[in-house]
Amino acid sequence: QKEVEQDPGPLSVPEGAIVSLNCTYSNSAFQYFMWYRQYSRKGPELLMYTYSSGNKEDGRFTAQVDKSSKYISLFIRDSQPSDSATYLCAMRANSGGYQKVTFGTGTKLQVIP
Amino acid sequence: EPEVTQTPSHQVTQMGQEVILRCVPISNHLYFYWYRQILGQKVEFLVSFYNNEISEKSEIFDDQFSVERPDGSNFTLKIRSTKLEDSAMYFCASRGNNGELFFGEGSRLTVL
Repeated sequence: QKEVEQDPGPLSVPEGAIVSLNCTYSNSAFQYFMWYRQYSRKGPELLMYTYSSGNKEDGRFTAQVDKSSKYISLFIRDSQPSDSATYLCAMRANSGGYQKVTFGTGTKLQVIP
Repeated sequence: EPEVTQTPSHQVTQMGQEVILRCVPISNHLYFYWYRQILGQKVEFLVSFYNNEISEKSEIFDDQFSVERPDGSNFTLKIRSTKLEDSAMYFCASRGNNGELFFGEGSRLTVL
């Protein structure tokens, strides 16, 4: 079983739709969770960071973490064509300052005008 | 806003040649990383670096690879003898106070 599982998509939605992106993980040591956006041939851009179960909102983005189910989600409201990108979930364990961040494979999102 | 900068943006090299990729992390960050992304595949951890030494490395990071921070600002990844399968995007990252990683725009390496 992979440490982090993410549906690769592609996911195609009309402009204005609510988008739901999800990841599951198997390593119960993971305590810190991130979502990145990556445009083609560019570096990952940090969107959201959270470490507690529940919801965290930032503008049109909401990150949701359910540690009991080992499941995290990113919701995008009022999706825009500029949101078209690959979205990467990422996570790391609690212990150690240098702990590596482990990424999902990414979900490719296309928002159709 | 502070950012991680990487050079070169694209390097083409012949198989067997040495390559050095350079990164300037965000100042006052203490933990640095290199990740690799082969075209169409996931972002993979290579190595983490703290206090002038490697703190963790993956199985990908074999003897062909090395990292150093020669002057207190630049953080470099060296590949001694490149192979075709080293062709990828290489991303440098530095770690923020909460453990989140901030990435550069990447260096695209093409090995012919």
